Amino acid sequence: NAGVTQTPKFQVLKTGQSMTLQCAQDMNHEYMSWYRQDPGMGLRLIHYSVGAGITDQGEVPNGYNVSRSTTEDFPLRLLSAAPSQTSVYFCASSPTGAQPQHFGDGTRLSIL
Amino acid sequence: QQQVKQSPQSLIVQKGGISIINCAYENTAFDYFPWYQQFPGKGPALLIAIRPDVSEKKEGRFTISFNKSAKQFSLHIMDSQPGDSATYFCAAGWRGKLIFGQGTELSVKP
Repeated sequence: NAGVTQTPKFQVLKTGQSMTLQCAQDMNHEYMSWYRQDPGMGLRLIHYSVGAGITDQGEVPNGYNVSRSTTEDFPLRLLSAAPSQTSVYFCASSPTGAQPQHFGDGTRLSIL
Repeated sequence: QQQVKQSPQSLIVQKGGISIINCAYENTAFDYFPWYQQFPGKGPALLIAIRPDVSEKKEGRFTISFNKSAKQFSLHIMDSQPGDSATYFCAAGWRGKLIFGQGTELSVKP
């Protein structure tokens, strides 16, 4: 049972490039979320999904897109990478909206 | 307001002592309050969680105290151990969203 799996673990991009961060869970959880973690700021919600086909914005959605075509997968797309998007990105899932979330081990992203 | 304020930013405790971390929130729509533990290079791991209709929850050495009228909750770590040295985050949850506090870096000295 893998839980929440994020790929890649590390990535370096140049400003203006696009990329997709992958997130998959094998627990059949309906709710999935993306957070970014920056020093001294805790984790901030980027986008979340309450089920396949349904997504919504979090606290810091600008510059990111998401889609949820299956229950298992919730990819995060950076459309045109900027240095301000250098961060550690975490994906999380939960069975319902009223239960705590389980996190992956993160993707460390550097944008030059 | 969706903020969750956490204090202190850092905490040094002697082995065997009690570690106390405090959080405050504003939005009364939040309906569960988890605490997460994070080690360097890893994702946050759920430690313990509480709902607003409960004033206290204990799991082993970890206790959450919850004061609904004051909109405050706290984590107590009894008999703190060097292995507890990590960053701790409180959070408030609502409809699948989590709003996190800024984190507390705990160091337990042997």
